[in-house]
Amino acid sequence: ETGVTQTPRHLVMGMTNKKSLKCEQHLGHNAMYWYKQSAKKPLELMFVYNFKEQTENNSVPSRFSPECPNSSHLFLHLHTLQPEDSALYLCASSQLLGLAGVGYEQYFGPGTRLTVT
Amino acid sequence: KNQVEQSPQSLIILEGKNCTLQCNYTVSPFSNLRWYKQDTGRGPVSLTIMTFSENTKSNGRYTATLDADTKQSSLHITASQLSDSASYICVVSARGSQGNLIFGKGTKLSVKP
Repeated sequence: ETGVTQTPRHLVMGMTNKKSLKCEQHLGHNAMYWYKQSAKKPLELMFVYNFKEQTENNSVPSRFSPECPNSSHLFLHLHTLQPEDSALYLCASSQLLGLAGVGYEQYFGPGTRLTVT
Repeated sequence: KNQVEQSPQSLIILEGKNCTLQCNYTVSPFSNLRWYKQDTGRGPVSLTIMTFSENTKSNGRYTATLDADTKQSSLHITASQLSDSASYICVVSARGSQGNLIFGKGTKLSVKP
């Protein structure tokens, strides 16, 4: 295992539901990420947190709301989703986020398979 | 536009055979290139990471090459095993990108007995 856990592993929700995805890392990292992986598309970066501060929001619709209460936990709150939001949502963590370089390897969790009906 | 293209999209080989996966990128300025393995229903796991000055790097039966001049990389798998069945994703990082990685769509490899 990579040291990054995600719950739940599978989630089915209706378009009017509100749910949350949880990610926890046990690696002592300071940066955490949310990615969306849709079929036959590259991973899409959604949000980046560095030392609990959001440093990137990659034009994600407001129906996705991230929360990072501390460096070890990351949440993705979901509400009024659309069927096209069905995908694998991956969380990752890395060491101190700085200039891109060899040092900050990203470690991924197993993902949450989300289905919106 | 920064892009990463991988080929083939999918590949089926027999157990014990070798194979090579390709990655072309247009990311600039280049920082590093990684190959990830993603098993079905799991998150990606890093296999190798290469910087501008590295031409080849091995991790067991996996050998990655990098040609920074032509902006191409390959991942060679030797003596394939059933457990090698997975998606292999090429990921390129641009210098100063603050953690923003550019992902390829991946090559889905199936190893058959």
